[in-house]
Amino acid sequence: EPEVTQTPSHQVTQMGQEVILRCVPISNHLYFYWYRQILGQKVEFLVSFYNNEISEKSEIFDDQFSVERPDGSNFTLKIRSTKLEDSAMYFCASNINLAGGVYEQYFGPGTRLTVT
Amino acid sequence: DQQVKQNSPSLSVQEGRISILNCDYTNSMFDYFLWYKKYPAEGPTFLISISSIKDKNEDGRFTVFLNKSAKHLSLHIVPSQPGDSAVYFCAASGGGGSNYKLTFGKGTLLTVNP
Repeated sequence: EPEVTQTPSHQVTQMGQEVILRCVPISNHLYFYWYRQILGQKVEFLVSFYNNEISEKSEIFDDQFSVERPDGSNFTLKIRSTKLEDSAMYFCASNINLAGGVYEQYFGPGTRLTVT
Repeated sequence: DQQVKQNSPSLSVQEGRISILNCDYTNSMFDYFLWYKKYPAEGPTFLISISSIKDKNEDGRFTVFLNKSAKHLSLHIVPSQPGDSAVYFCAASGGGGSNYKLTFGKGTLLTVNP
């Protein structure tokens, strides 16, 4: 069964460093998302991406964050200058076709980001 | 801003019995609701969903009920199995140009005892 994959599974970085989290969505999906879950808190929406552009972003997704789909398969989240409070699990998700009334999003296993 | 609330952080049931997980929402723009199951160190796994035009959706052992007037939904698992032990998240999606981002509740830890 097709699945969303994410790399790395765990990333440790120092405050102020740039990190890139990588995701390979399900191949025929068209809509891509990033969410994060700070330890002990709920899963929060960061950004959605469709047709090579951001379609919506949350207030968390400030200028330090960016997303890119550099080729036909990868979807990346970049944090330019990490802060301690960026430590969280980051989940990538994808969806096949909203217009068809299919709203279920399929999630990857997550990347645990630890900022020290 | 808790638009989706799961007021029970945990629930414990015996194997074979029914598990009922509850969820309340406040945003009347939500028109699609989903339940996800999450094991430690894994991503959320989609379980079942329901559109706001329905009041019930069933898939095997899982049934979701929606009460729009009360802004309440519930997930019933029957019979419960030990492998169902996980955190269950209720999520909601809104129309009107929201691009269908999911708004999650805090989750309920279900423990099914053998």
